[in-house]
Amino acid sequence: QSVLTQPPSASGTPGQRVTISCSGSTSNIVNNPVNWFQHLPGTAPKVLIYNYSQRPSGVPDRFSGSKSGTSASLAISGLLSEDEADYYCAAWDDSLNAYVFGTGTKVTVL
Amino acid sequence: EVQLVESGGGLVQPGGSLRLSCADSGFTFSSYWMSWARQAPGKGLEWVANINQDGSTKYYVDSVKGRFTISRDNARNSLFLQMNSLRAEDTAVYYCVRAIGSGSSYWGQGTLVTVSS
Repeated sequence: QSVLTQPPSASGTPGQRVTISCSGSTSNIVNNPVNWFQHLPGTAPKVLIYNYSQRPSGVPDRFSGSKSGTSASLAISGLLSEDEADYYCAAWDDSLNAYVFGTGTKVTVL
Repeated sequence: EVQLVESGGGLVQPGGSLRLSCADSGFTFSSYWMSWARQAPGKGLEWVANINQDGSTKYYVDSVKGRFTISRDNARNSLFLQMNSLRAEDTAVYYCVRAIGSGSSYWGQGTLVTVSS
């Protein structure tokens, strides 16, 4: 059972904006930077956001991250069919001395 | 080009052992924390273990402590995971990951480990 909770699914039509939440606690999201990963089945996961809101080079600016209190969020604007994938938040947890992933959110493009 | 290539996966009986390897190229291996993560069938991603640049600091998820050992050989640009006393619940695709918690995070394609009699 993960200490980072995400909604199991999210969906939108092409061009829409979708937001995914990641609920945690002081020992993870507050104290340590959050990464967001995109995972298409059968492929290697890819980092989309690091340090709550930073984008690695090559990641489109349609992807953005934010933090508020003990929660973090990933927003995908201008949704494309290629964005259909599983998305995970993750952070180091000081209490567990472990790196923890969120429960994962499956994004469907309708 | 960064490349992380895992090997060593396969079918093993419960209680058995496997040693996973990850051959890394295209970056300065000795400069990065390295990790193993996994995904069980139908489940989400799970971090397994971390090791720092010189191998002096290691962390493990509780479920593998005392059974798995992460190690590295910086001269050979290689990461390893020795897995002992394997259980059915260890069945998963195992990924080698560079700098998992940073913007330079990079994942290999994974190797499948199946624990079954």
